[in-house]
Amino acid sequence: EPEVTQTPSHQVTQMGQEVILRCVPISNHLYFYWYRQILGQKVEFLVSFYNNEISEKSEIFDDQFSVERPDGSNFTLKIRSTKLEDSAMYFCASGGTSGIEADTQYFGPGTRLTVL
Amino acid sequence: LAKTTQPISMDSYEGQEVNITCSHNNIATNDYITWYQQFPSQGPRFIIQGYKTKVTNEVASLFIPADRKSSTLSLPRVSLSDTAVYYCLVGDDSGYSTLTFGKGTMLLVSP
Repeated sequence: EPEVTQTPSHQVTQMGQEVILRCVPISNHLYFYWYRQILGQKVEFLVSFYNNEISEKSEIFDDQFSVERPDGSNFTLKIRSTKLEDSAMYFCASGGTSGIEADTQYFGPGTRLTVL
Repeated sequence: LAKTTQPISMDSYEGQEVNITCSHNNIATNDYITWYQQFPSQGPRFIIQGYKTKVTNEVASLFIPADRKSSTLSLPRVSLSDTAVYYCLVGDDSGYSTLTFGKGTMLLVSP
């Protein structure tokens, strides 16, 4: 069964440093997403990406965040200058082509980001 | 997106059937109902999706009454490995949708 993969599984960084979280969505999916989950809290939507551009973003996704699909397989989330409050699990998800399939999002295993 | 309400937690024993009900009084005509499962430190996993009546797959069944203001996820004969948080989400079929997760229902299955 195809699955979404994410690397690294755990990233430790110093406050103010840049991090790039990587994701390989399911190959025939067209919609890509990033979510995050702070320990003990809800899964929160960050951004959705379709047709090589951002479709929607939440208030969390400020100027410190950016996403990119540098090639046909990878989907990245960059945090330019990390803050302590960015520490969380970051989940990448991808969805199908249209209609009901697009509502079915498949999540990766997550990257645990720890900002010191 | 329609707001959903589900119990914060449920307890069960191995081998029992578990039914988790979700209320979504403001569900719109185009909305589908989707359930996800999340284990600790893992990403949410799609379980089942439906629009009306009953949907069944190899993992669960989803019961949706005619008014669609609620839905019930049914897990037959649960095992310890079914201990997880279960989320009920409602979204439209606009081609893509962002998922708004609530706190979900923490299901604890005991021996």
